[in-house]
Amino acid sequence: KAGVTQTPRYLIKTRGQQVTLSCSPISGHRSVSWYQQTPGQGLQFLFEHFSETQRNKGNFPGRFSGRQFSNSRSEMNVSTLELGDSALYLCASSLAYSLQETQYFGPGTRLLVL
Amino acid sequence: AQTVTQSQPEMSVQEAETVTLSCTYDTSESDYYLFWYKQPPSRQMILVIRQEAYKQQNATENRFSVNFQKAAKSFSLKISDSQLGDAAMYFCALMNNNDMRFGAGTRLTVKP
Repeated sequence: KAGVTQTPRYLIKTRGQQVTLSCSPISGHRSVSWYQQTPGQGLQFLFEHFSETQRNKGNFPGRFSGRQFSNSRSEMNVSTLELGDSALYLCASSLAYSLQETQYFGPGTRLLVL
Repeated sequence: AQTVTQSQPEMSVQEAETVTLSCTYDTSESDYYLFWYKQPPSRQMILVIRQEAYKQQNATENRFSVNFQKAAKSFSLKISDSQLGDAAMYFCALMNNNDMRFGAGTRLTVKP
């Protein structure tokens, strides 16, 4: 079974631009979560979607948004990029309704904002 | 608010020896889940082991085991017979009410 895939793997943007990251979950998984990882703040939960509905959201500004499609693929969008948005963005998928189920992480997208 | 604390930024172990990574947490909930994730240089997060708070028995996965002390809110990871491939960042995580919190991580070095 293929694992979680994320595209692109690396991305360079400039301040003020917007970016869209994509995540394809493991086949059959309906929950997709997004995380931001930075050296300063560590790993932080962004949001989670299940069956095309956002159920949970971490403490991030509205510039960070996400959506999920009927095939469970998820996209994360960050508008008006700031230097501090430079990070590794990880997505994870799981089978079940609850985040308490085991999550399987993708390789991440490394975003650099100049 | 839920918090997860890993007090050891770095640890080192000799190949084939045993090492224990510490994790303490704080939550007001009685039902939660605890995880240890491994992040090698490839940056992909890999689930190592998971523990349900309602289970008294410590979880074990091959060479990996945990010491779960619910009253003390402690969740340490023991790696036995350490291998070079165990070298990575290890993150302790707490999940409850669809909120997930991670510790700052412990970088484990394995010496040949």
